[in-house]
Amino acid sequence: ETGVTQSPTHLIKTRGQQVTLRCSSQSGHNTVSWYQQALGQGPQFIFQYYREEENGRGNFPPRFSGLQFPNYSSELNVNALELDDSALYLCASTSGGSPGQGMYEQYFGPGTRLTVT
Amino acid sequence: AQSVSQHNHHVILSEAASLELGCNYSYGGTVNLFWYVQYPGQHLQLLLKYFSGDPLVKGIKGFEAEFIKSKFSFNLRKPSVQWSDTAEYFCAVKSGGYNKLIFGAGTRLAVHP
Repeated sequence: ETGVTQSPTHLIKTRGQQVTLRCSSQSGHNTVSWYQQALGQGPQFIFQYYREEENGRGNFPPRFSGLQFPNYSSELNVNALELDDSALYLCASTSGGSPGQGMYEQYFGPGTRLTVT
Repeated sequence: AQSVSQHNHHVILSEAASLELGCNYSYGGTVNLFWYVQYPGQHLQLLLKYFSGDPLVKGIKGFEAEFIKSKFSFNLRKPSVQWSDTAEYFCAVKSGGYNKLIFGAGTRLAVHP
């Protein structure tokens, strides 16, 4: 186990609803990244938070948003859910200095399986 | 756009067979390269990583990978697989100023006793 936890494990929502997913990073890790893994595909980078600010974003629309808290835990919020948002959402945390400065391994959590009907 | 290609989507092997999983990336600059493994019902785990230096990298559980810059490749190898290696394997590239990983689509490996 990596020490990264995510909640909930599974979630079912209907189209148009909003969802909040949570992540607790490994102790001492100050950077959190979120990924979306659709069925049969590799994870795709959504965004990254460092010291409570978003400092990197993938090709996802603004209805995907996030927060990072002073204890480095994080939330992923998705508004106006669409069927294609059904996926496994992964959180990864990283230790060290500011992102990109070094060779920091990302530790992944078990993920939240979101189903949109 | 940067991308990662994994050539084999499904691989089936018998125990003790040798394994090689292909990975190619499209990026001309400095890259950091990774192989992750996802065992059934478990989270993604790092197998090995390459940042610089010796292009032959050794990881956990007897896996190794070779970075060939001229071929933009980072293939994963294991001389003799075990049933417990049954899992999905992902190649990933990190480039740029933050911790964005670009993953391949994954290769699902099944090892039969």
